[in-house]
Amino acid sequence: DVKVTQSSRYLVKRTGEKVFLECVQDMDHENMFWYRQDPGLGLRLIYFSYDVKMKEKGDIPEGYSVSREKKERFSLILESASTNQTSMYLCASSIGQNTDTQYFGPGTRLTVL
Amino acid sequence: GEDVEQSLFLSVREGDSSVINCTYTDSSSTYLYWYKQEPGAGLQLLTYIFSNMDMKQDQRLTVLLNKKDKHLSLRIADTQTGDSAIYFCAETPNSSYKLIFGSGTRLLVRP
Repeated sequence: DVKVTQSSRYLVKRTGEKVFLECVQDMDHENMFWYRQDPGLGLRLIYFSYDVKMKEKGDIPEGYSVSREKKERFSLILESASTNQTSMYLCASSIGQNTDTQYFGPGTRLTVL
Repeated sequence: GEDVEQSLFLSVREGDSSVINCTYTDSSSTYLYWYKQEPGAGLQLLTYIFSNMDMKQDQRLTVLLNKKDKHLSLRIADTQTGDSAIYFCAETPNSSYKLIFGSGTRLLVRP
């Protein structure tokens, strides 16, 4: 069974803090993705990675960075959290071919005060 | 450009059929997807259709694709209260790893 896990379901941080969101998949998938979900905007791609140590910017990378040191783990980093980064963050992974299915984790709801 | 649009809300009575509609702009899309998101949860893949198909049926779910009009629909037969969720339509433009999502349709099933 496909399994994508995220380190926290709920997180509360203060403005200016450094925030790490972790995602782990156990399917040996090549691709991993970070999205944020906001009401009325659907899901927007922040970054994705198609191999270890490889990353590509998505549609809204500003204010975020990522790290993929191991195939199974993809981290999203907020260097200095701001209130406009309050959102639901969703991680996904896929096998590694174009147009293949993405499997999602349960999401992390981040609140920045 | 790439854009996926859905209506924001649909309300149906339990036992009726639900039809959720989606339009997309990228004619090169190879696959089109429907995802379901229950409250407080991540996205669950419901079904997908390859662009050279017109219809796909999977138990209570029927997906219809009209490539000419770039219109995708999801029909849920005998809708149940457990079907209440947000449904996202998504496309993968050709030669892309990315999924382009619509804003989601909130389905409310009334008893």
